[in-house]
Amino acid sequence: GEDVEQSLFLSVREGDSSVINCTYTDSSSTYLYWYKQEPGAGLQLLTYIFSNMDMKQDQRLTVLLNKKDKHLSLRIADTQTGDSAIYFCAERVNRDDKIIFGKGTRLHILP
Amino acid sequence: EPEVTQTPSHQVTQMGQEVILRCVPISNHLYFYWYRQILGQKVEFLVSFYNNEISEKSEIFDDQFSVERPDGSNFTLKIRSTKLEDSAMYFCASNPGPISGANVLTFGAGSRLTVL
Repeated sequence: GEDVEQSLFLSVREGDSSVINCTYTDSSSTYLYWYKQEPGAGLQLLTYIFSNMDMKQDQRLTVLLNKKDKHLSLRIADTQTGDSAIYFCAERVNRDDKIIFGKGTRLHILP
Repeated sequence: EPEVTQTPSHQVTQMGQEVILRCVPISNHLYFYWYRQILGQKVEFLVSFYNNEISEKSEIFDDQFSVERPDGSNFTLKIRSTKLEDSAMYFCASNPGPISGANVLTFGAGSRLTVL
């Protein structure tokens, strides 16, 4: 079945790198996504990666995909206080309309 | 930047009452969705809507739920007889359609439903 798992909390010092990890179960995933949710706001797409890629970089964000292990990670370089939010991993399976989300990882920035 | 807007931001209702949550998707988008998030749990897919009909729905989306696009701009979720367990944040989303192979969804800020 379809399932996306991620740890619930991560604390990182300002200026350090944050690495948020995610695992998924469905090997037929076509696209994998990272969404960000700030307090009181909706789910904002940060980045996505196609399943035939293993890395994607966009400014401070690096996404790594290990398809063999069904493991996805999001690295945020030089973490800032504005990065404090909940980060959701999500997958799209085959040509389904829907996207399946994890529970979200709350990123807390330490001064 | 175009955005998805949802109203109300928070609704409190009594168990058994009907609730309508409203969404205005991005104007040139063709696919519309409802998701919900019960506090502390996953963001769960409810339903997708395309070409004026439901294209996919989850097990959660039972006969108590319905969706409608009553005019060219609004997309509504109706819960006929609310239960305590319907308390959640409900997110509306839209995407442009087949041109967007990555199926990138743009989400609204959510409507928090509290059932007493």
